[in-house]
Amino acid sequence: ETGVTQSPTHLIKTRGQQVTLRCSSQSGHNTVSWYQQALGQGPQFIFQYYREEENGRGNFPPRFSGLQFPNYSSELNVNALELDDSALYLCASSSGDRYYEQYFGPGTRLTVT
Amino acid sequence: ELKVEQNPLFLSMQEGKNYTIYCNYSTTSDRLYWYRQDPGKSLESLFVLLSNGAVKQEGRLMASLDTKARLSTLHITAAVHDLSATYFCAVDSQGAQKLVFGQGTRLTINP
Repeated sequence: ETGVTQSPTHLIKTRGQQVTLRCSSQSGHNTVSWYQQALGQGPQFIFQYYREEENGRGNFPPRFSGLQFPNYSSELNVNALELDDSALYLCASSSGDRYYEQYFGPGTRLTVT
Repeated sequence: ELKVEQNPLFLSMQEGKNYTIYCNYSTTSDRLYWYRQDPGKSLESLFVLLSNGAVKQEGRLMASLDTKARLSTLHITAAVHDLSATYFCAVDSQGAQKLVFGQGTRLTINP
């Protein structure tokens, strides 16, 4: 157990809908990164939040957006869902002083039909 | 653009044998990570390699990093069935934990 939690565990949505995924970071961690892992592939970096500000973004369209709250928990929002958005979404938390230690949550499995 | 390539992508081996998974990356980075993933599960951190020549060992797994060759290896010694999983290497792209992952190596260890 890493101390990083995500909700919900599983989610089924219809194409065109919107979804919000949540991540609670490990205590003391001020940085949260989100990754998308399609079936059979490695995770891909979506974006990172550091102290409530976006701190880098991967090659994902603007319909993927996020928030980080004062308690360093985070949300990933995806608008206008497409079938290819079906994936395991992972969040990972780390702290500024031990930046190389990144802890992944259990993930949210999103299925878009 | 940073690219990370692993080989082999699939590996089936017998218990008791030794084998090595290779991870090549395309641009300079001083931080390389190895993760294990069981089916339907999240990523479990195995090793963090922070400098050239770094070597870390945990049980039957040993990882090393050669930053000049842009190569990391994950060596499995006397494999046991419990090591069956998918193994990913990842390299820090923009700094500060923005990781680029390889495709993964699916390891199956047969009795």
